[in-house]
Amino acid sequence: DIVMTQTPLSLPVTPGEAASISCRSSQSLFDRDDGYTYLDWYLQKPGQSPQLLIYTVSYRASGVPDRFSGSGSDTEFTLTISRVEAEDVGVYYCMQRIGFPITFGQGTRLEIK
Amino acid sequence: QVQLVQSGPEVKKPGASVRLSCQASGYTFTKYPIQWVRQAPGVGLEWMGIIHPSDGDTTYARKFQGRLIMTRDTSTATVFMELSGLRSDDAAVYYCASGGDVWGKGTTVIVSS
Repeated sequence: DIVMTQTPLSLPVTPGEAASISCRSSQSLFDRDDGYTYLDWYLQKPGQSPQLLIYTVSYRASGVPDRFSGSGSDTEFTLTISRVEAEDVGVYYCMQRIGFPITFGQGTRLEIK
Repeated sequence: QVQLVQSGPEVKKPGASVRLSCQASGYTFTKYPIQWVRQAPGVGLEWMGIIHPSDGDTTYARKFQGRLIMTRDTSTATVFMELSGLRSDDAAVYYCASGGDVWGKGTTVIVSS
């Protein structure tokens, strides 16, 4: 199984500041057949279902503010929030879907200072 | 609007089976696979398996092989997930998700004697 490792696991941030979360996979998530890299980012706000933020590394899901961006390739990925707002509180997960079983990172809890 | 409506909470005894449902609306049911993801209390997300409503094809995570069955009913646009041989560590919130960006609100399963 592909192991997804996120850092940090806890991220206190002052509103208005930038924040970054790293995600590393134990195998490449690049699919040579179609040229896509299958790494997505989710945010689970308190008491809610996970919501898709970013798919295939860098594409923002519908309705996601442009302060969220994703980057990376192969086995190293980053989610960046350019200016954190109070509503961004929750647990962020990276997820690989290049192969089964689909696997998630452990989650990074973002809190407001 | 596009949504997945999940069945209500369940309380089961160890060794019993639980059958959860997930009804899709607002889109063509057979167009996107539906996956099941669970979350134990205070823990991260765990992928269980996926079903393609178009043909019923399924893939399960290895740890659930032999006690997990996913089925679908195209006449009601509903997917079912049955987990047998319940143990205390199967207590969790079970989510269904379609296409990655549409998630149900989750069903709580309690396992207690």
